[in-house]
Amino acid sequence: SQQGEEDPQALSIQEGENATMNCSYKTSINNLQWYRQNSGRGLVHLILIRSNEREKHSGRLRVTLDTSKKSSSLLITASRAADTASYFCATATIQGAQKLVFGQGTRLTINP
Amino acid sequence: DAGVIQSPRHEVTEMGQEVTLRCKPISGHDYLFWYRQTMMRGLELLIYFNNNVPIDDSGMPEDRFSAKMPNASFSTLKIQPSEPRDSAVYFCASSFKASSYNSPLHFGNGTRLTVT
Repeated sequence: SQQGEEDPQALSIQEGENATMNCSYKTSINNLQWYRQNSGRGLVHLILIRSNEREKHSGRLRVTLDTSKKSSSLLITASRAADTASYFCATATIQGAQKLVFGQGTRLTINP
Repeated sequence: DAGVIQSPRHEVTEMGQEVTLRCKPISGHDYLFWYRQTMMRGLELLIYFNNNVPIDDSGMPEDRFSAKMPNASFSTLKIQPSEPRDSAVYFCASSFKASSYNSPLHFGNGTRLTVT
C-alpha cells in the first residue's frame, strides 16, 4: 500500500525557477526521505528528515516536515536542466523502521 | 565503492520460463531490499533481509516469487514460472543501520524484465 502521495504528479518549470513538491502520508513516521530517479536509473537518496525535525537544508534543497498535517515539501531552488527527474518521498514507520514505503513520485521537467 | 550491482540489466523471456535476478550489495551493509517498479503500482517493497535473514516477505506477490541471500555479498530473486504481469523493473537496494533512525537506501540501476 502507498503511504506517501506526492503532489503534483508532474511539474514543468523554466531553468532558474524554484520547484516545490509536496508529500502527504497517513500514519505516524520515524522519518521521511526524499529520493531522485533519473530515467533508466535507480533511485538516489537526497535528504532524510527525522520526525522531530521541522526543516532541513542540503545545498539547493530544502525539506520541511509538518507531522501535525502529515505532510512534507521538497523545494529545489535555482533549478537546472540536470534536476529533470522523478522525485519520490518515502516514509518509515516507527513499527517498521527499516521498511521504506514510497509514493508515486513527481515528474519534474526543467526547460532550458 | 562500486555501489549496488544488479544483473542482468535487461531480461526478456517467454511466459513460463524461470527468471533469476542477481544483486551484490554494498560491502558492509547489513540490510538488503528488493523492490519492483511499474507505472500502475509504483515502487513496491517485495522482501528485505537483515544479516542475510529474510525479515519481511509480505510484499512477495505469490509463491512463484522467491528470494535468497546465501551470504552478505549476494542475493537472488527468482520467478518461476514467469508471467507477462511480472514485467517490471526490479531494484535491489542496501543500507547500513547506523542508529535507531533509518539510514538511506542505496539502489542499484535495476533489472528491466519483460515477459512475453
